[in-house]
This record gives sequence, C-alpha cells and structure tokens, in this order.
Amino acid sequence: GAGVSQSPSNKVTEKGKDVELRCDPISGHTALYWYRQSLGQGLEFLIYFQGNSAPDKSGLPSDRFSAERTGGSVSTLTIQRTQQEDSAVYLCASSPMTGSGNTIYFGEGSWLTVV
Amino acid sequence: RKEVEQDPGPFNVPEGATVAFNCTYSNSASQSFFWYRQDCRKEPKLLMSVYSSGNEDGRFTAQLNRASQYISLLIRDSKLSDSATYLCVFDTGRRALTFGSGTRLQVQP
Repeated sequence: GAGVSQSPSNKVTEKGKDVELRCDPISGHTALYWYRQSLGQGLEFLIYFQGNSAPDKSGLPSDRFSAERTGGSVSTLTIQRTQQEDSAVYLCASSPMTGSGNTIYFGEGSWLTVV
Repeated sequence: RKEVEQDPGPFNVPEGATVAFNCTYSNSASQSFFWYRQDCRKEPKLLMSVYSSGNEDGRFTAQLNRASQYISLLIRDSKLSDSATYLCVFDTGRRALTFGSGTRLQVQP
C-alpha cells in the first residue's frame, strides 16, 4: 500500500488477555518503529527494527511486551497479560533506513483499551 | 533533565496572529531536528525539518540554536487549520527519533 498500515485500528480487550498488533510498513522501508502514546501524552519509544533485527529494545516497558519482524516487512507487537495501564494508541512508523535525517512515516495507530 | 522539553500550552491565539514555540533538548549529540504536527486523534506528520541556518516554508519558520540547545517554530498569519499539537523531534543517529510531548495550539476566529 501507499502508507503504513496498522491493524486492528481499535481493540478492546479484557485485563489479562494477550493482544497482537500488526504493522505493514511502506514497501521498501528497512527501518520500522513502534511508539506508544497515552491519552494527552507524548510519544513513548518502544522498539525499532533495522531489517529483521532489533538493535534497540530499551523502550519496551516490561517483559510482557515483545515484537518481531519477519521478511524485513511486517511486524507484530505482542502484549501478554494486558493491564489497564497498557491502554494507549500504539503507533508504527517506517523510514527508508535508520540514520540521521530520515523522515519517518506513521500509520494511523492501533487504539487499545484494556477493561 | 528531560531529553526534550516543550511548553505544553495550550496557546490560544486569534486568527492572523504570529505565534512561536521553543523546544529545548539535552543531548548535544543530536544531529537532525524536525517539527511534526499532530491533529487530535491522528498520527503525527512531518511539518518541516530544521536546518542549522534556519529555514522557511511559507508561513512557517524553523530555527536551530546549537549553542543553547533549542529549536523554535514560528507561525505567521495563523489560520484556524493550524490548530494542532506541534511536536519537536530530534535524532542522535543512534536510535529512533525522540519526540517531545508537544505544544498545543488553538487558533480562534
């Protein structure tokens, strides 16, 4: 597609359940990023991929969060045993490569509500 | 000290006004700087890059002051459609972009 595609766009889940969020980056973009934004807050970096490897996982808030990327394209962010504080919009972005000066392009986000 | 600090606002200005936002950063290794715009419940989108010599794009002017470690965004002749949150963003070249928490602008008729 022309832009970054994320699914689901909205997800309501019960506390304790696992969720998977998917990101399909812009074709040809080697770098892929996950951010989280809670209501009224700034963007919190979670993880980024260069190809299929994740050089920086430092932003993942706990071991309940994991992410993978296969084939240098689609990425999945998994949250296990969801908690109410996980409620946020999860934004995926991609760029042609990492490195200074590269613009990143965001998807519309996956809005997660944990009840 | 936070990596990036922005005045959260809101800045309430009348149409036609000139408004300026500053953003300070603490990492002196920062190499690239940007302003992103985020509309309510939408994803952030690139507004403009910030170059060392300063740069202008229509009604928008961005400046960088490396010595004092801040960037600024000036909006002239504000329009209703400029109402949004403006995020300052920087890149140290070592990891993903770092975003400020944003400054909210509300342009009123």
